[in-house]
Amino acid sequence: NAGVTQTPKFQVLKTGQSMTLQCAQDMNHEYMSWYRQDPGMGLRLIHYSVGAGITDQGEVPNGYNVSRSTTEDFPLRLLSAAPSQTSVYFCASSLGRKYTGELFFGEGSRLTVL
Amino acid sequence: AQSVTQPDIHITVSEGASLELRCNYSYGATPYLFWYVQSPGQGLQLLLKYFSGDTLVQGIKGFEAEFKRSQSSFNLRKPSVHWSDAAEYFCAVGAGSGSARQLTFGSGTQLTVLP
Repeated sequence: NAGVTQTPKFQVLKTGQSMTLQCAQDMNHEYMSWYRQDPGMGLRLIHYSVGAGITDQGEVPNGYNVSRSTTEDFPLRLLSAAPSQTSVYFCASSLGRKYTGELFFGEGSRLTVL
Repeated sequence: AQSVTQPDIHITVSEGASLELRCNYSYGATPYLFWYVQSPGQGLQLLLKYFSGDTLVQGIKGFEAEFKRSQSSFNLRKPSVHWSDAAEYFCAVGAGSGSARQLTFGSGTQLTVLP
């Protein structure tokens, strides 16, 4: 099984550019989420989704958009990139709202905004 | 809102020595607690979790953790560290029911293992 797949693994943007980080899972998980990881700050939740057509904001949603049209995919969009969005982004999934088990993480996407 | 503190940014131990990584949490009710490990260039992997019951939980790779409500702690331990344990370790707390997805992570502890 592929698990959680993120693309691209590395990306360099200029301030003001837009891009989409892709996330796909093949485990039929209801729940998907995006985190950003910054040195000394751990992981912070950006957006999450409990199923197709349902999304909600996490701790640090500003500057990011998400959508969930299928169970498998949960893309993260940066509409106008800023240097403060330089970070490593992780997508994670789990079985569903009633399952208090583990999150399965992708390998991360490293984004640099110049 | 819940929070997690990992007081040690970096720990260095010799291979074969014992290990304890500290984690303190803040949450008003019974928390769900997790330890994750991150190897360089990789995503996070669950080591162990505590939801209820026995306060000493066993995880993968020989790790264990003890939940101490009176101290609001969930420290991770391993009796004998291997070189392959070098990684970054994150403690996390989840609030409410069905909320493993709403995790709040600590800032992480980087573990270096000396030969």
